[in-house]
Amino acid sequence: AQKVTQAQTEISVVEKEDVTLDCVYETRDTTYYLFWYKQPPSGELVFLIRRNSFDEQNEISGRYSWNFQKSTSSFNFTITASQVVDSAVYFCALSNYGGSQGNLIFGKGTKLSVKP
Amino acid sequence: DTGVSQDPRHKITKRGQNVTFRCDPISEHNRLYWYRQTLGQGPEFLTYFQNEAQLEKSRLLSDRFSAERPKGSFSTLEIQRTEQGDSAMYLCASSLGRTSAGTGELFFGEGSRLTVL
Repeated sequence: AQKVTQAQTEISVVEKEDVTLDCVYETRDTTYYLFWYKQPPSGELVFLIRRNSFDEQNEISGRYSWNFQKSTSSFNFTITASQVVDSAVYFCALSNYGGSQGNLIFGKGTKLSVKP
Repeated sequence: DTGVSQDPRHKITKRGQNVTFRCDPISEHNRLYWYRQTLGQGPEFLTYFQNEAQLEKSRLLSDRFSAERPKGSFSTLEIQRTEQGDSAMYLCASSLGRTSAGTGELFFGEGSRLTVL
């Protein structure tokens, strides 16, 4: 069965601190996709990144970076120099490689609060 | 605004009543998805349309739930004989092609919150 675990329910940091959100996944598939989405208080899920299982290169986008390690089935997300606007619930998700690929398996999310 | 829009944003109903939600995807998107999200949980996949064809349904979608996308544009999700356990946020998303295409992004609407009393 496919499963995504985000062990951190809530994290609180002070602005400008770095913060890492953990994501561990389980799948029997050898090819799959991993995603991170952000859900601000408005409720609309916002796409951040997709990574396919072939590509274990880390990725950096501005203050955001992602560390994909297939050996530990982890896809962690780091925000550098956090800002108040980063406060949101962050979801890690997994999808299969075939089929619609729109059936995303989401974790329970990590609520990040960034205080000024 | 050309994003995914959902209506109504909030619906309060009594147990046993029927409710219908509407989703208007981004106009050029051929794929449309329904998800359900309860408090403190991640979204759970319900069903998926490619154009007007419903191609995938979750086991979560009981017989009381029905979804349509009659002309391959907007979609409706109907819940018959609502139960308190149906209380949740119902999210609609759309995409152009599979998530392996382009950035793989699903574009989500703001959701329709259902409260069953």
